[in-house]
Amino acid sequence: GAGVSQTPSNKVTEKGKYVELRCDPISGHTALYWYRQSLGQGPEFLIYFQGTGAADDSGLPNDRFFAVRPEGSVSTLKIQRTERGDSAVYLCASSLFPDGGELFFGEGSRLTVL
Amino acid sequence: GEDVEQSLFLSVREGDSSVINCTYTDSSSTYLYWYKQEPGAGLQLLTYIFSNMDMKQDQRLTVLLNKKDKHLSLRIADTQTGDSAIYFCAEINDYGQNFVFGPGTRLSVLP
Repeated sequence: GAGVSQTPSNKVTEKGKYVELRCDPISGHTALYWYRQSLGQGPEFLIYFQGTGAADDSGLPNDRFFAVRPEGSVSTLKIQRTERGDSAVYLCASSLFPDGGELFFGEGSRLTVL
Repeated sequence: GEDVEQSLFLSVREGDSSVINCTYTDSSSTYLYWYKQEPGAGLQLLTYIFSNMDMKQDQRLTVLLNKKDKHLSLRIADTQTGDSAIYFCAEINDYGQNFVFGPGTRLSVLP
């Protein structure tokens, strides 16, 4: 597609439920990033993929969070046993170059955990 | 670890210049970036500067880098109401993989 596409744009769920957020990067971009942005804060790094593999997952807050990118294109961020503190906008970005090139961001998926 | 700091708010009159400041901690950052986020939208790259440069000018935007003090600034000349947004400073980490963002400066442009 023309830009980074994220679905759903809004997700409301109950505490304890499982959630999947999808990111479709710009075609041909090998690098894919997930960030989390809480209200009034800057994006916080979660995980970075280079191709199919997670090159850096040091930002995932705990083992309830997991992300995959099985074919090196679309990525899914999975959150198990959601907690109210997980409420945030989850941003996906892709880049043509893995070493500091421009990040192209999607509009984000707003997750609200009740 | 890396840390990026910014003042949270800036208010200017239309037509004046805006200066948004940022300090960072990672002296090995190769690139430093300014991103803009408009309400309800994703972040968009405004400009960037390579770490061996002191200044970069791009139309109404001027980026100044002081490596010694680890200080980065973004100057917007002739600020317009359309410039109202949140501006994020970002550096790239030691391994050239992870972008670290500041908290963002909310710029309000008054008519």
